[in-house]
Amino acid sequence: GAGVSQSPSNKVTEKGKDVELRCDPISGHTALYWYRQSLGQGLEFLIYFQGNSAPDKSGLPSDRFSAERTGGSVSTLTIQRTQQEDSAVYLCASSARTGLGEQYFGPGTRLTVT
Amino acid sequence: SQQGEEDPQALSIQEGENATMNCSYKTSINNLQWYRQNSGRGLVHLILIRSNEREKHSGRLRVTLDTSKKSSSLLITASRAADTASYFCATGGGNEKLTFGTGTRLTIIP
Repeated sequence: GAGVSQSPSNKVTEKGKDVELRCDPISGHTALYWYRQSLGQGLEFLIYFQGNSAPDKSGLPSDRFSAERTGGSVSTLTIQRTQQEDSAVYLCASSARTGLGEQYFGPGTRLTVT
Repeated sequence: SQQGEEDPQALSIQEGENATMNCSYKTSINNLQWYRQNSGRGLVHLILIRSNEREKHSGRLRVTLDTSKKSSSLLITASRAADTASYFCATGGGNEKLTFGTGTRLTIIP
């Protein structure tokens, strides 16, 4: 079956612009996660959605970052007024409620802020 | 934040040899997972070991877990060029966020 998909695969934007990154999880997976991977910080958790519960936003680095998940499926991560330090690969993952904890990752979006 | 450290940070071995990577973590866990990442993009789940397990096998992979030392190791036997990748341990999951180690960059020399 189809895996997790993300778009765009690459995004170059100017400092100060807003960007939206999209994630389509595996059908039927109730949990969706966003992570960020950058050279200096490694793999960092950003935000987690589980069903209709309030999301865990504890990893968002600033109020310029937000995410939503519509209809319990597709998610959009929005970064407002991008800064150069936002340059990273943004990874989305999903998991099934009945699983042991394995997460299935998309290919990521490489964001470059110039 | 990183859960812990992995060592070595980088490892180069000849094809056919075995590769061992180690991971340490800081908090109590329900399980520990290993992931592989090729070319800095999506991660692939390799194996999950529960906190009440000490060893687990999957094909050429062998994972051990020592909860008293808060450490785990991943052994890849009979390495192949296609095993070249970065390997990360992670704690959490079970419908919780994952906290990753710093990763080991493995290079298999043909």
